[in-house]
Amino acid sequence: AQKITQTQPGMFVQEKEAVTLDCTYDTSDQSYGLFWYKQPSSGEMIFLIYQGSYDEQNATEGRYSLNFQKARKSANLVISASQLGDSAMYFCAMRDLLGGYNKLIFGAGTRLAVHP
Amino acid sequence: DGGITQSPKYLFRKEGQNVTLSCEQNLNHDAMYWYRQDPGQGLRLIYYSQIVNDFQKGDIAEGYSVSREKKESFPLTVTSAQKNPTAFYLCASSIDSGNSPLHFGNGTRLTVT
Repeated sequence: AQKITQTQPGMFVQEKEAVTLDCTYDTSDQSYGLFWYKQPSSGEMIFLIYQGSYDEQNATEGRYSLNFQKARKSANLVISASQLGDSAMYFCAMRDLLGGYNKLIFGAGTRLAVHP
Repeated sequence: DGGITQSPKYLFRKEGQNVTLSCEQNLNHDAMYWYRQDPGQGLRLIYYSQIVNDFQKGDIAEGYSVSREKKESFPLTVTSAQKNPTAFYLCASSIDSGNSPLHFGNGTRLTVT
C-alpha cells in the first residue's frame, strides 16, 4: 500500500529564514505525482507545488521548491525567506492510481510557526 | 469565479440523526472527493467519484453515503451508523488527470452531541 510519512509534527523558523519540511513516501508504482498543500487556521487547503516522478528538474513555484530525491523516496518542501503568513499546517500528498481513479493520499502534516 | 462551495460552514446535530453536507463545484471537473480531517491529523478519503452516477468507497466509508446525480454536485450524508462523526469535512474536485491537483472547498465543521 502507498504511504506518506511526515516525521516533523511541528517546526519553528525565524522570519526571512529558509525552512525544509520533510516528506518520505512509499510506493511500488513507477509513475506517480507528489503534491504539497498549505492549510491555514481557517481550514482551506491551498495547493502549493507538484512534482512528477519522471520530472528531471526539481519543481519550483515562487518561494516554494521541492527537493525531490527519487532513490531515497523523499520530496521535501523548501520555503525560502519565510514570512509570518507562512504559519500553517503543511501536508505532503501522493497521487494513487488505483483502478483508474486518481485519488490523493495525505501525510499527517507538519505545523510551521514563523516567528518575527 | 470558479470554485467549490461547501455549506454550511458549521453544522450541529444530535446523535442518531442523519445529516447531509453539501458540495457544489462550477469548475467543470469530472472527479470529486470527500475527505475527513480530525484534529492534528491528515486527510482521510471517504468517497470519490470519477463521473456522474458512479462513486467508489475510500478508506473510511463506513457510516457515510454519497450520490452523484449531477456533475456539479456531490453531497455527503453522515448516517447514524458513523461512530465518531464529529470532524472537519473537506470536499474537493479535480480534472480527470494524474498530474492535476485537487481543488478544495472551505470545509464543513460537523459537531454531533
